[in-house]
Amino acid sequence: DTGVSQNPRHKITKRGQNVTFRCDPISEHNRLYWYRQTLGQGPEFLTYFQNEAQLEKSRLLSDRFSAERPKGSFSTLEIQRTEQGDSAMYLCASSSTGVDTEAFFGQGTRLTVV
Amino acid sequence: AQSVSQHNHHVILSEAASLELGCNYSYGGTVNLFWYVQYPGQHLQLLLKYFSGDPLVKGIKGFEAEFIKSKFSFNLRKPSVQWSDTAEYFCAVMTGGFKTIFGAGTRLFVKA
Repeated sequence: DTGVSQNPRHKITKRGQNVTFRCDPISEHNRLYWYRQTLGQGPEFLTYFQNEAQLEKSRLLSDRFSAERPKGSFSTLEIQRTEQGDSAMYLCASSSTGVDTEAFFGQGTRLTVV
Repeated sequence: AQSVSQHNHHVILSEAASLELGCNYSYGGTVNLFWYVQYPGQHLQLLLKYFSGDPLVKGIKGFEAEFIKSKFSFNLRKPSVQWSDTAEYFCAVMTGGFKTIFGAGTRLFVKA
């Protein structure tokens, strides 16, 4: 396992369509995070899992967004009825359990809503 | 609410110049502090981190950062930059909930 893997790398979709992204974390990492990054901004926190439990969700995560991590391994982020404002880079990160730990990031999925 | 402020959005330097990027955070509790770097076309990579102990931490590629608790600051420094340091640099704070908050980033361009 060489790192956090995200698929697809790029997604172009029409407004109103649903999209789903996948993240495979580093295998021994219990914690998984989703972030969104728009041009000129740093990554913004969306949600966080410890194992299969979703422990925190940002106000940025509207009702159209849902994330799952059913078996505590890979995670999916679904956006329903996409809007042009959803266009961004969606980043996944993982970390091990512990106080002194850092997050390792994947290469992201770039979503373009046309 | 927790936040991270990076002082400069764009910095242009000539090779061999010294670099200092400012970072301040707002959070009253215990924090872990990071600088991440994103080279063009690549993913975020950890440059250095502070968890506890010596407030002057050294990272990869000659970078260092100093945690000044009284100033809520974690500035990044490098004595002599290289063209290959051209990248975007993000300061980040991990709070007790293990959520990492990022600054808006500083784009560094080093002229050869």
